[in-house]
Amino acid sequence: GDSVTQMEGPVTLSEEAFLTINCTYTATGYPSLFWYVQYPGEGLQLLLKATKADDKGSNKGFEATYRKETTSFHLEKGSVQVSDSAVYFCALRGGGKLIFGQGTELSVKP
Amino acid sequence: SAVISQKPSRDICQRGTSLTIQCQVDSQVTMMFWYRQQPGQSLTLIATANQGSEATYESGFVIDKFPISRPNLTFSTLTVSNMSPEDSSIYLCSVDSGAANTGELFFGEGSRLTVL
Repeated sequence: GDSVTQMEGPVTLSEEAFLTINCTYTATGYPSLFWYVQYPGEGLQLLLKATKADDKGSNKGFEATYRKETTSFHLEKGSVQVSDSAVYFCALRGGGKLIFGQGTELSVKP
Repeated sequence: SAVISQKPSRDICQRGTSLTIQCQVDSQVTMMFWYRQQPGQSLTLIATANQGSEATYESGFVIDKFPISRPNLTFSTLTVSNMSPEDSSIYLCSVDSGAANTGELFFGEGSRLTVL
């Protein structure tokens, strides 16, 4: 079945560092891909999405490109802030279901 | 985007009891989804609920343990039956953005259950 594999955390970075969180997927067909974020004590929010190959999703300085050839959707940000500390989930939607990766906890230190 | 309200937001329950979680959406939606997030874990789909039909459960989840109602297009309930400490989780209701099964889901704030 469809699945999502994320880079394991926790990830600890200093403020203004470059962030990459790896995400690869296995799916039949052409799923839509998402990054969700869960800030401490808050609900799950959509961060960005891409619906077809080579699409780039972006929001709040974060970017991810749908790479069909490598079945990847890595999340990047050029300069992280303390306020980016959260758990990040990669997800795919295929066959109507939204399937999540295991989540990556990011901690940004001042 | 849809606004989703869940009740209760949190509860502490005794082993062997059952608890019903309510999910109210501010617009009519065809499909509603119930997820579980165990402590420190990712989200796992429990079931999909369509109005007017039986819910469809994922592997590992059964109707006797997690009965679901979907009486109309804006409301659903999930019951966690005969609870054990292993059922301590956040339970989340979600709805489709409407983009033909390919779009994002919107999530409620979740219901955090602790079973003693």
